Amino acid sequence: DVKVTQSSRYLVKRTGEKVFLECVQDMDHENMFWYRQDPGLGLRLIYFSYDVKMKEKGDIPEGYSVSREKKERFSLILESASTNQTSMYLCASSLWDVKETQYFGPGTRLLVL
Amino acid sequence: DAKTTQPTSMDCAEGRAANLPCNHSTISGNEYVYWYRQIHSQGPQYIIHGLKNNETNEMASLIITEDRKSSTLILPHATLRDTAVYYCIVILGQGAQKLVFGQGTRLTINP
Repeated sequence: DVKVTQSSRYLVKRTGEKVFLECVQDMDHENMFWYRQDPGLGLRLIYFSYDVKMKEKGDIPEGYSVSREKKERFSLILESASTNQTSMYLCASSLWDVKETQYFGPGTRLLVL
Repeated sequence: DAKTTQPTSMDCAEGRAANLPCNHSTISGNEYVYWYRQIHSQGPQYIIHGLKNNETNEMASLIITEDRKSSTLILPHATLRDTAVYYCIVILGQGAQKLVFGQGTRLTINP
């Protein structure tokens, strides 16, 4: 079974802090994705990566950056956390040629105070 | 990507088959039907997908009508752990990047 793990299930941070969310997958998938999910807004893509050191902006990249130094690991960075970044953050991975079949991690519920 | 329509909520008795419908009347020839579900406070989970033919895996069966304008996801023996929101999406294969979920169907399995 594909396993996608995220570093934390729950996180509380203060405004202005730098926040690191880590995601690791164990299936040698080329593609990795970061989404956020908010009530009424559904799932929104922040960034995705199709290879090591490669990244593409999604629909809402502002205020976020990403890092993919190893194939299995994709990090989401909030440079200076703000209260409007309080959300559920979901990481996913997929094979290169089957981008639509994405395997998700359990999610990180981030609260920015 | 084509729009889908699903009932807002459904109930099913434990042990019975749960049949979740989805309408996608504007689907084009090269678009796939995908089903995901999301159990409360967890990440979405891929269930199954299909293009034209019916599909079955260890989790569910997918029945697509001949005109491809609608489909049904079947959970053959529903358990309490199948209580979740189920999303039907239509998506272009081999190139789509992001998943966009609609409102989905909130399926409740009752003991």
